[in-house]
Amino acid sequence: GENVEQHPSTLSVQEGDSAVIKCTYSDSASNYFPWYKQELGKRPQLIIDIRSNVGEKKDQRIAVTLNKTAKHFSLHITETQPEDSAVYFCAASMGSGGYNKLIFGAGTRLAVHP
Amino acid sequence: KAGVTQTPRYLIKTRGQQVTLSCSPISGHRSVSWYQQTPGQGLQFLFEYFSETQRNKGNFPGRFSGRQFSNSRSEMNVSTLELGDSALYLCASSFQTGVNTEAFFGQGTRLTVV
Repeated sequence: GENVEQHPSTLSVQEGDSAVIKCTYSDSASNYFPWYKQELGKRPQLIIDIRSNVGEKKDQRIAVTLNKTAKHFSLHITETQPEDSAVYFCAASMGSGGYNKLIFGAGTRLAVHP
Repeated sequence: KAGVTQTPRYLIKTRGQQVTLSCSPISGHRSVSWYQQTPGQGLQFLFEYFSETQRNKGNFPGRFSGRQFSNSRSEMNVSTLELGDSALYLCASSFQTGVNTEAFFGQGTRLTVV
């Protein structure tokens, strides 16, 4: 079935450390993998995304890697700051063709301690 | 450019009633998707509309329905409300080009069923 597993569910790091969140998807036809950050009481906001024809993408302190063979993708945040504290969701598009059906992981609550 | 607007922001309804939620996408966006967010189930896909047609549907009962108007605004309706329908309902709009593009979320409508 359509499923995205996300680990860990909670992550606590010290300011300046790195944080890694991992996701596994089930649909081999998935070709778009966004990551969203949701702060308390706010809407989810896209922080980075990757398509299936790319293995890695970086944007300042944030990077995402994709292993299509293993159907894994991961979010890496370096030099974490207290403002990185939020819930992070991975998602995978179900099917191809540009249809906007995203299946989300259960979320990771990241806490960055000063 | 105005973001995705959802109305109302908050709703309290009684079991058995019906409710209609509204979503105005970003100007120029033709795809609108709806998601249900609950603490226990995370973000779950309800349906997607594009050019007034439902293209995708999630695993929700028939009590959940939606529609899209010619100006791309969308509404979702939930009939015969149950306590378990209490959730944050988020809509997301995308500029559809045939490949997956970023989904921009609205602030959501928080529905409480009593």
